[in-house]
Amino acid sequence: GAVVSQHPSRVICKSGTSVKIECRSLDFQATTMFWYRQFPKKSLMLMATSNEGSKATYEQGVEKDKFLINHASLTLSTLTVTSAHPEDSSFYICSATYYPSSVSSYNEQFFGPGTRLTVL
Amino acid sequence: QKEVEQNSGPLSVPEGAIASLNCTYSDRVSQSFFWYRQYSGKSPELIMSIYSNGDKEDGRFTAQLNKASQYVSLLIRDSQPSDSATYLCAVTPGGSYIPTFGRGTSLIVHP
Repeated sequence: GAVVSQHPSRVICKSGTSVKIECRSLDFQATTMFWYRQFPKKSLMLMATSNEGSKATYEQGVEKDKFLINHASLTLSTLTVTSAHPEDSSFYICSATYYPSSVSSYNEQFFGPGTRLTVL
Repeated sequence: QKEVEQNSGPLSVPEGAIASLNCTYSDRVSQSFFWYRQYSGKSPELIMSIYSNGDKEDGRFTAQLNKASQYVSLLIRDSQPSDSATYLCAVTPGGSYIPTFGRGTSLIVHP
């Protein structure tokens, strides 16, 4: 149980285009989803916390108009990178949790496999 | 700012040895503690979770929590080359459900 999927796994796009990444919890209802970014050999950086049916909460320094997050249902959150630039190239990872947890009492985060974005 | 500190390593151990990974945290009222394993180019995978003082064992993995000293550790017995990865410690601060991640410790198990 507690499987999270992400699509696509890899995307290459031209500078100035927008890219949408989907994150789905496959076997549980995720009241909260998280979006992270990770540069090579660097630590996870939390970008935003997304709660179903409400606006996402962005971390300091993350542009909400550039990284659009929609959490329309208990199993789906999307991250859209608008007007992508080469510096947006990174590994984007989502995770999901249920609070209070029906899977675990520890509010564990379950990560998707990640999306590697390359902006040319 | 809630801090979670880990030695970046790399920690190098021979195959079959015990690998000991440590993590300290600053928020005294933290409630939940997690260890994740991340292979290069992959996303993190949950290995262990612990929330009460003492040891929790799962196969070759043992998590140890000491809230008074504000540290949590992960022991890997009979280390295998396939255990070579970065190990992330995550701590959920008091009053929050959002874990704070450490920078991770790189573990290398050599044959």
